[in-house]
Amino acid sequence: DAGVTQSPTHLIKTRGQQVTLRCSPKSGHDTVSWYQQALGQGPQFIFQYYEEEERQRGNFPDRFSGHQFPNYSSELNVNALLLGDSALYLCASSLAPLNTEAFFGQGTRLTVV
Amino acid sequence: AQKVTQAQTEISVVEKEDVTLDCVYETRDTTYYLFWYKQPPSGELVFLIRRNSFDEQNEISGRYSWNFQKSTSSFNFTITASQVVDSAVYFCALSVLRRQLTFGSGTQLTVLP
Repeated sequence: DAGVTQSPTHLIKTRGQQVTLRCSPKSGHDTVSWYQQALGQGPQFIFQYYEEEERQRGNFPDRFSGHQFPNYSSELNVNALLLGDSALYLCASSLAPLNTEAFFGQGTRLTVV
Repeated sequence: AQKVTQAQTEISVVEKEDVTLDCVYETRDTTYYLFWYKQPPSGELVFLIRRNSFDEQNEISGRYSWNFQKSTSSFNFTITASQVVDSAVYFCALSVLRRQLTFGSGTQLTVLP
């Protein structure tokens, strides 16, 4: 049973560039959530996708956008990168409607220089 | 709004000692779920346990045990006979039904040989 997989594992981008991160949910899960974890802090919720629509959103600017595909996989896009966007980006998958189980991928470490 | 507090930023113990990680949560909802995750240096969040708000029975899994007390809004995690491999950052998290996880700031546990 494949768990949550994310790609790439590491990424270095220049300030002002755009980046796309990818996530495949655990088999049988239909909901994908994205979290940002800055160094030394707990993960912060970015947004959640279900049925190819954004269902919930945390306190993140519009530079952060996403997409969910019919196979439930998801992308996180960040435009106009800032140095402060450097973080570990974690994807979690769960099963609607209760979403009571959340399993995480290994994360993508984004460094903005 | 939900809030999770992990007051212990760092804990250091010697191998074979018992250690308890504290977690205090805040929510106005009567139905919610509490989680513990382990984050080793590799970065992946490893799911340890989920409890729902209607089940206050304590749980034991090998060397791990969890004490859930609604009266004090606490969900503490004890590792018995700690081992070096237990060294990691541990996160407590709260989820109100169908909504995202709210994480604490984490506790860095170091187990010394």
